[in-house]
Formats: sequence, structure tokens, C-alpha cells
Amino acid sequence: GAVVSQHPSRVICKSGTSVKIECRSLDFQATTMFWYRQFPKQSLMLMATSNEGSKATYEQGVEKDKFLINHASLTLSTLTVTSAHPEDSSFYICSARDLWGVSPLHFGNGTRLTVT
Amino acid sequence: GESVGLHLPTLSVQEGDNSIINCAYSNSASDYFIWYKQESGKGPQFIIDIRSNMDKRQGQRVTVLLNKTVKHLSLQIAATQPGDSAVYFCAETSRNRGNKLTFGGGTRVLVKP
Repeated sequence: GAVVSQHPSRVICKSGTSVKIECRSLDFQATTMFWYRQFPKQSLMLMATSNEGSKATYEQGVEKDKFLINHASLTLSTLTVTSAHPEDSSFYICSARDLWGVSPLHFGNGTRLTVT
Repeated sequence: GESVGLHLPTLSVQEGDNSIINCAYSNSASDYFIWYKQESGKGPQFIIDIRSNMDKRQGQRVTVLLNKTVKHLSLQIAATQPGDSAVYFCAETSRNRGNKLTFGGGTRVLVKP
């Protein structure tokens, strides 16, 4: 079945530094990937939609200059948290759907970001 | 506005019993619904989906029921097992929103041995 891989699974960084998270579709091509954020014991909140070869579209309230998204190929999207602060600590999850859009969205296993 | 919500935040169920998780949605244009299971520290795992032209769909030990009249969705798990312990989310989308899913608040299912 469709597999979405995220890397790293956990990262700890110091306040003020930037962190890059990768999301890969391993056995299918995805023109669109989605980035979610999940705080403890809460639901997933969509941050942005990553479109291959074009700019990402961000949800209301999400700072595009802070959460940089690059979708350079049909199998890879990256999310960079710039100048991270402790309040950015969260569980970041990506999802992808195949080109034909007939399969349900498949999710990566998430990245636990801790900013100290 | 658009929202998807759940009635029960936590459900405790005896092993072997059936579980029912409920979900309400508010967007009458929603036409595709998915149930996900999320274990601790992992991403959501697809369980079952249903389109708005159906009112019931069955999978292995799971059944999803859709009542469009009252905008209600449920997930039934038959013979609940310890491995079913997790948080369950419903999610919805509609054609005019592309593939952007809106998630419900989640229900934690605890299976007692």
C-alpha cells in the first residue's frame, strides 16, 4: 500500500535555530502533500497545502515565513521551521495522496519537535 | 463555519464487546468521510472511508454509518481487541475543498482485558 515516510521522527533544537522536516511518498507520486500540526491530546490542524512545482498555500493564521514549505518533486516535500521557539514544539505530520486522487490520504508517522 | 466534532472524548470498552464511536459534522457539502486510528507517537492510520452516496460501508471488523440527514457519522468496531486501543478521528472533505481534510476532535478508546 501507499507509504509516506517522515524524517526525522524526533528532533530537539535550541531556540532560534531552524529545523527541516522531510516528507516522502515512497511508492507513489503525489502532486499535493499536506502538513498538519498536532498538540498533545488534540486533533490535527491543517497548516498548509504543499503543491509540487508551485507555492504552498497556507491556512489562516499560519505564518508562511516561519513555516517554509518546499515541494520540489513528486515524492518529496519539506517543512522548515525557522527561528524556532518553545511554542513551536509540537507533533508535525504530513500526508499525501496519489496523482489520481482515488486513494485515501496516507499519513507519515510524524515528527516530534521539541524546542528548548 | 465548517467543523467536525465528536460526542464522546473517551470510550472504555470490555475486550470482545463492540465499540461505537460517533462524529457530527456541520458542512452539508461534505461528500467524503474517513475514519483514522492514531496510536501514541504515530501518524493517523486509515481505517475506512465512505462517500456521501452511501449510508453504510463495511470492512474487516469495522462498519461506518453515514446519516446525511442529521450530519452524523459513526464507526463500529466489532469484537474490540486490546490492539484497538487508540485515538480515533473522523475527517471530512468536499469536492470544493479539494483534498483538504477537516478532522474531528478525536475519541480515545480504551479496551479493558
